[in-house]
Amino acid sequence: KAGVTQTPRYLIKTRGQQVTLSCSPISGHRSVSWYQQTPGQGLQFLFEYFSETQRNKGNFPGRFSGRQFSNSRSEMNVSTLELGDSALYLCASSLVGTQGEQFFGPGTRLTVL
Amino acid sequence: AQKITQTQPGMFVQEKEAVTLDCTYDTSDQSYGLFWYKQPSSGEMIFLIYQGSYDEQNATEGRYSLNFQKARKSANLVISASQLGDSAMYFCAMRGYSGGSNYKLTFGKGTLLTVNP
Repeated sequence: KAGVTQTPRYLIKTRGQQVTLSCSPISGHRSVSWYQQTPGQGLQFLFEYFSETQRNKGNFPGRFSGRQFSNSRSEMNVSTLELGDSALYLCASSLVGTQGEQFFGPGTRLTVL
Repeated sequence: AQKITQTQPGMFVQEKEAVTLDCTYDTSDQSYGLFWYKQPSSGEMIFLIYQGSYDEQNATEGRYSLNFQKARKSANLVISASQLGDSAMYFCAMRGYSGGSNYKLTFGKGTLLTVNP
């Protein structure tokens, strides 16, 4: 069974631009979560989607948004990029109704110049 | 609110020896799950082991075991017979099963484990 895939793996943008990251969950997994990882703040929860609905959201500004499609694939968007948005963005998928271990993708490393 | 504390920023262990990585947690949820993940330098988070708050037995997965002490709110990871490939960052995480925190993981700051030959 294929794991979680994320595209692109690396991205370089400049301040003020916007970016869209993509995540394809493990087949059969309907819950997709996004996390931001930085050296200073560690791993922080962004949001979680299930059945195309956002169920939970972390403490991030409105510049961070996401969506989920009917095939469970998810995208997250960051508008008006700031230098502090440079981070590893991790996507995780899980089965609903289980203990809830989340399986992570390889991440997208975003650099904002 | 949930909080995970990992007090060891870095740990060293000799190959083939056992090592314990510490994790303490705080939550108001009655039902919760505790997880350990490994993150090699490549960046991918690898799920290692899970312990439910109502599980009476400590979880084990191969060389990994979780020393769960509920009263002390600790969930230490024990790696037996360390291998060079175990060198990585290790994260303790938890999720609650009630209220609005159902579907997010709260992570600790991590422990960087180095296995020496």
